Amino acid sequence: EAQVTQNPRYLITVTGKKLTVTCSQNMNHEYMSWYRQDPGLGLRQIYYSMNVEVTDKGDVPEGYKVSRKEKRNFPLILESPSPNQTSLYFCASSSGQGLTYEQYFGPGTRLTVT
Amino acid sequence: DQQVKQNSPSLSVQEGRISILNCDYTNSMFDYFLWYKKYPAEGPTFLISISSIKDKNEDGRFTVFLNKSAKHLSLHIVPSQPGDSAVYFCAVGAQKLVFGQGTRLTINP
Repeated sequence: EAQVTQNPRYLITVTGKKLTVTCSQNMNHEYMSWYRQDPGLGLRQIYYSMNVEVTDKGDVPEGYKVSRKEKRNFPLILESPSPNQTSLYFCASSSGQGLTYEQYFGPGTRLTVT
Repeated sequence: DQQVKQNSPSLSVQEGRISILNCDYTNSMFDYFLWYKKYPAEGPTFLISISSIKDKNEDGRFTVFLNKSAKHLSLHIVPSQPGDSAVYFCAVGAQKLVFGQGTRLTINP
């Protein structure tokens, strides 16, 4: 089954404790992206990757890091989480072959930073 | 400054009637327009799209209209069904996608 998986689905952590949210897709997609969803603000892009070892900032990259060492994986790293990073996070992927914009989304990770 | 706006946070429609969701954008360089649907505890799923060379695209009960001069995008659902109750996001793209804030659609039996 074609899918994007994220782990964990729920996470409660404390300020400053480094964490990683994993994202994996099994569709051999070149393009992957991270979004955060906040009330009244919709989905905002954090980082994206056009291919392995190619990453770029989205609209709200501050406080986040990403890496793309393998095509299927695109982890999101919060080196020192803060309460304003409490949000719902989505990973997405697309083929980038004329369908760049039709992205497949993971189920989401709800992060709470206290 | 939001480039994509969905001005109605919520919409309630009677089952069987038409649901119309609206979206406005500011950048005339956007060339691809999409609608995503999101159920609680799930990720958004692609619903329908339209490119800037068209003004209408239809897929079953769903039709997307694009008015480039007004920079306005709309989604029509006819007839509306209870399973259509969800949050709908419009998204517009050139090199990347920019999403609207979402509209929560509730279909009443």
